[in-house]
Amino acid sequence: EAQVTQNPRYLITVTGKKLTVTCSQNMNHEYMSWYRQDPGLGLRQIYYSMNVEVTDKGDVPEGYKVSRKEKRNFPLILESPSPNQTSLYFCASSSLGGGASEQFFGPGTRLTVL
Amino acid sequence: AQSVTQLGSHVSVSEGALVLLRCNYSSSVPPYLFWYVQYPNQGLQLLLKYTTGATLVKGINGFEAEFKKSETSFHLTKPSAHMSDAAEYFCAVRPASGGYQKVTFGTGTKLQVIP
Repeated sequence: EAQVTQNPRYLITVTGKKLTVTCSQNMNHEYMSWYRQDPGLGLRQIYYSMNVEVTDKGDVPEGYKVSRKEKRNFPLILESPSPNQTSLYFCASSSLGGGASEQFFGPGTRLTVL
Repeated sequence: AQSVTQLGSHVSVSEGALVLLRCNYSSSVPPYLFWYVQYPNQGLQLLLKYTTGATLVKGINGFEAEFKKSETSFHLTKPSAHMSDAAEYFCAVRPASGGYQKVTFGTGTKLQVIP
């Protein structure tokens, strides 16, 4: 089954404790992206990647890091989480397709930073 | 630069009534336009998209949207609402050339269907 998986689905942590949210897709997609969803703000893009070793900032990259060492994986790293990073996070992937391709979304990771 | 405006964060309709969710965009290059739906506690899934060609596009679950370049709009409609349509709907824009990597979403519209 074609899918995007994220782990963990729920995470409660404390300020400053480094964490990683994993994202994996099995569709051989070149493009992967991370979003955060906050009430009243919709989805905002954090980082995206066009292919292995190619990443770029989205609209809200501060406080986040990503890496793309393998095509299927795109982990999101919070090196020193703060309470304002409490949010619902989604990973998504698509083929490049010149921008016309739909994105496939993971189920989300709900992060709480105390 | 690009942006998306969804008018109305909450829309309520009666079961069987017309659904109209509004989306206006701003883009410096011709855009690709998308509508996604999010059911409670789930990720987003594609309803429909406009890329090129026919400006009236049909999607899943009886939804359709019309791209109106002169009005920079891409409103989502469904003739008759069903209880199962209750969800949050997001309009998104992606440039059709140049920096098509960046995707911008609207703030979402929660649709409530009243029996």
